[in-house]
Parts: sequence; structure tokens; C-alpha cells
Amino acid sequence: DTAVSQTPKYLVTQMGNDKSIKCEQNLGHDTMYWYKQDSKKFLKIMFSYNNKELIINETVPNRFSPKSPDKAHLNLHINSLELGDSAVYFCASSQTTAPSGANVLTFGAGSRLTVL
Amino acid sequence: GNSVTQMEGPVTLSEEAFLTINCTYTATGYPSLFWYVQYPGEGLQLLLKATKADDKGSNKGFEATYRKETTSFHLEKGSVQVSDSAVYFCALSGGTSYGKLTFGQGTILTVHP
Repeated sequence: DTAVSQTPKYLVTQMGNDKSIKCEQNLGHDTMYWYKQDSKKFLKIMFSYNNKELIINETVPNRFSPKSPDKAHLNLHINSLELGDSAVYFCASSQTTAPSGANVLTFGAGSRLTVL
Repeated sequence: GNSVTQMEGPVTLSEEAFLTINCTYTATGYPSLFWYVQYPGEGLQLLLKATKADDKGSNKGFEATYRKETTSFHLEKGSVQVSDSAVYFCALSGGTSYGKLTFGQGTILTVHP
């Protein structure tokens, strides 16, 4: 059983389209994240939810909208896709412990988005 | 704000060579420090971590020691294998950050037979 699963694994689409990436974790974790990895492998956090509540919202265009219907799912919807959105998007989850800075994240395999 | 700086890659080694990947950080308070590894086509996996000064994290022959005085967390392995070829990320997480990780830029390691 995959602990953190993302779908789709690959997504190729045209500029201006709207697309979604789904993420599910079966670890019973209470916190989920979206990270973006650019072509130079640099990773940056986008969003984080704790028990369905948004707790981290980095400087991300509002074309990106996360949704967490329950604590096991965190989906990412992107409107009006642009060329610069091409990247690998990673979902991750963790269980909050004290101190929360010591949490270990479990990552999904990534979703490669290509905008043409 | 928090930041992590890793040595520039790519790093190319022969099998059984000694590996060091340097990592230094800037953070307020007392962060936790991590090394994650990304094998080709996969997501990141935790390699090791240290949560306080002078802690040594170790796993699969890799080691790193949390040095507060030099704000460093260098990754070392005495004898690398071809299967260690991957991208290595140093990361830190602050005390109240809900696990938010700040990553270094990643170091690509290639090990040749």
C-alpha cells in the first residue's frame, strides 16, 4: 500500500487550462503539504493543512487553490495554467509531534506538470 | 528567515570513495535538521535527522552531526555505492513551524563502478 499517493503522475496540458492534482495519505497523519520542485530541483513549500485547516500559505498566485475535504486528502487545483507552472508537485504528510519542528515528512512520488 | 545552503553539485565519485556533502544553515531558535534523498523518478525519503546540538543522525552508512557553533550539518559516508546515486537535500524545520521544511538546493551525486 502506497503511504502517500498522488494522481496523476504525469499531466500535459495547454496554457490557460484548469487542472487538479489529488493526494491521499493512509498513514493517519494530521498534517499535509504541497511542495513545488522546479527544473533545477529546488523545492519550495506552497501550502500546509493541519486537520483540514490551512496553516501555511506561502506566496503563491491565487490561481492555486488547495482543498482538504478530510485530513487524509489534500487536492491542488490550478486555474489558468501558465508556462511557469511547469514543475513537479509533491504532496507530503506528517504527524504533529512536540516539538513540531522535528516532524518527519513522508512524500508522494510526485506529479509532473507540463504546460505547453 | 530560515535558509539552507548546500555545496554545489553535481558530485561524481567512484565506488568505495569517501563522500562529504556540505550543508550550512541560518535559522532563529533551535531548528531540527534533516537529510532527505531523492532517487530517480521517486519522491523524497528521509535519510537521517538530528533535533538538537551535537546530535548525530545516521542511517545506511550515512552520518551527519548537528554543529550549532558552525551552523552546519554535513553529510558523510565512508564508502559509497552505485546505488547511492541520487539527489541529496539538506533541510531544516523551526520549532513551531508544523513541520514546514526549508530545503537546500539539492546536490546530485553520481557514483560510477
